[in-house]
Amino acid sequence: DAMVIQNPRYQVTQFGKPVTLSCSQTLNHNVMYWYQQKSSQAPKLLFHYYDKDFNNEADTPDNFQSRRPNTSFCFLDIRSPGLGDAAMYLCATSRDLREGQDNEQFFGPGTRLTVL
Amino acid sequence: RKEVEQDPGPFNVPEGATVAFNCTYSNSASQSFFWYRQDCRKEPKLLMSVYSSGNEDGRFTAQLNRASQYISLLIRDSKLSDSATYLCDLMDSNYQLIWGAGTKLIIKP
Repeated sequence: DAMVIQNPRYQVTQFGKPVTLSCSQTLNHNVMYWYQQKSSQAPKLLFHYYDKDFNNEADTPDNFQSRRPNTSFCFLDIRSPGLGDAAMYLCATSRDLREGQDNEQFFGPGTRLTVL
Repeated sequence: RKEVEQDPGPFNVPEGATVAFNCTYSNSASQSFFWYRQDCRKEPKLLMSVYSSGNEDGRFTAQLNRASQYISLLIRDSKLSDSATYLCDLMDSNYQLIWGAGTKLIIKP
C-alpha cells in the first residue's frame, strides 16, 4: 500500500543533543511537509518542499532544518533541542499545491519527541 | 482574530444523535477547504474535502458558506467510533496552509 512512513515513532533525546527524524513516502507526491503538534493545538507547519524547492515558514526557528535528498525522503534536523521542542512531529505529503483535491494531505504516524 | 477558529468542545453527544460544528476563517480569498479527523495521539486523517457545492459521504456532510466565511461538518446517526478531534484545514490565496486547533467530539453510549 502506498503510504507515508516516519521513523522512529518515539525519540528521546537530551537537551541540546541533535536529533534527526526521517520521513519516506511511496505516493510519489510532489509536496512534503513537516509539522509540529503539541497537545490540543493545531498542527504548526514548520516548512515544506515543493519538489526540491524549500519553503520555510517565517516563524520556524533556525534550530529546525530540513533536507529532501530525493522525492521519497525528507528529514527534519533539530540542531539543539530544547524542552519546548518536545512534541509530535508529523510528516505529510500532497500531490501538488494547486487549488482543490491536489492539496489533500496524507500524514505519517508521527514521531513523538521527548527532550530530557 | 485567529485566521481559523474552531470551538474546542468537547461536544458530548449520545450515540445515534446528529451533531454539527463549524470552522470559521478570516481570509475571504481562502480556497481549498478540508476536514480531518484525529484520534488521540495519532496522525490526522483526511475525512473529506469541502467543495463549493458541498460534499456528502455517507453519514458525513460538509458545507462551505463563503458569505459568512465558515465551513461546517454534520455527522448523522453518530457512532461511538466517531469520537475524535475534527480539524479543519484551508489553503489561502497565497498557498499558505492554515489549520484549526480542532473540535473534540465524544459520543456516549
